[in-house]
Amino acid sequence: DAKTTQPPSMDCAEGRAANLPCNHSTISGNEYVYWYRQIHSQGPQYIIHGLKNNETNEMASLIITEDRKSSTLILPHATLRDTAVYYCIVRVAGSARQLTFGSGTQLTVLP
Amino acid sequence: GAVVSQHPSRVICKSGTSVKIECRSLDFQATTMFWYRQFPKQSLMLMATSNEGSKATYEQGVEKDKFLINHASLTLSTLTVTSAHPEDSSFYICSAAPGLEGSSPLHFGNGTRLTVT
Repeated sequence: DAKTTQPPSMDCAEGRAANLPCNHSTISGNEYVYWYRQIHSQGPQYIIHGLKNNETNEMASLIITEDRKSSTLILPHATLRDTAVYYCIVRVAGSARQLTFGSGTQLTVLP
Repeated sequence: GAVVSQHPSRVICKSGTSVKIECRSLDFQATTMFWYRQFPKQSLMLMATSNEGSKATYEQGVEKDKFLINHASLTLSTLTVTSAHPEDSSFYICSAAPGLEGSSPLHFGNGTRLTVT
């Protein structure tokens, strides 16, 4: 699976949009982009995933560039409870495929 | 949505004893489940892939005789840490995904905090 690069940390003001970038310049055509987050001492929580089209759900939006070499996770109105480590992972589809976690981005939402 | 339940959430055991951790998929069947370990301030590291009805596949450096995995049904996988030592103290997390194909995401349990004294 392709490697991803994320900034180690970011701050965001409560109520503002949080935009978390991810670089995956070596992504291949059959790899999806997945986003998870891990709140301290809990298991990772699935947020959203996409292949090439932008995606939106009740938690977030995922913007994937046309060349698919990077993506941005957008939390439209960040709250204090969104403080977590956010992981961007690329993976080939199929439930038998594991997820390889990098270091992620520590997002801190400030009051 | 898909729910993965893990039990216990935390356990303290004495050195030399064994501890069993259960991972259940509550509303879907999972042919494959994954076990991860996470040390403080580090990311999740895959330990092994649990396959229903067959032997687990272990990552390099993970002792299969120490971390026994049993995947006896399509909804339950267990990880037994045998002869636990303080260095085995860690956060153990399981995951699974519904469906065999497609882009279904993996869902994770809430983890088990193991402390070996």
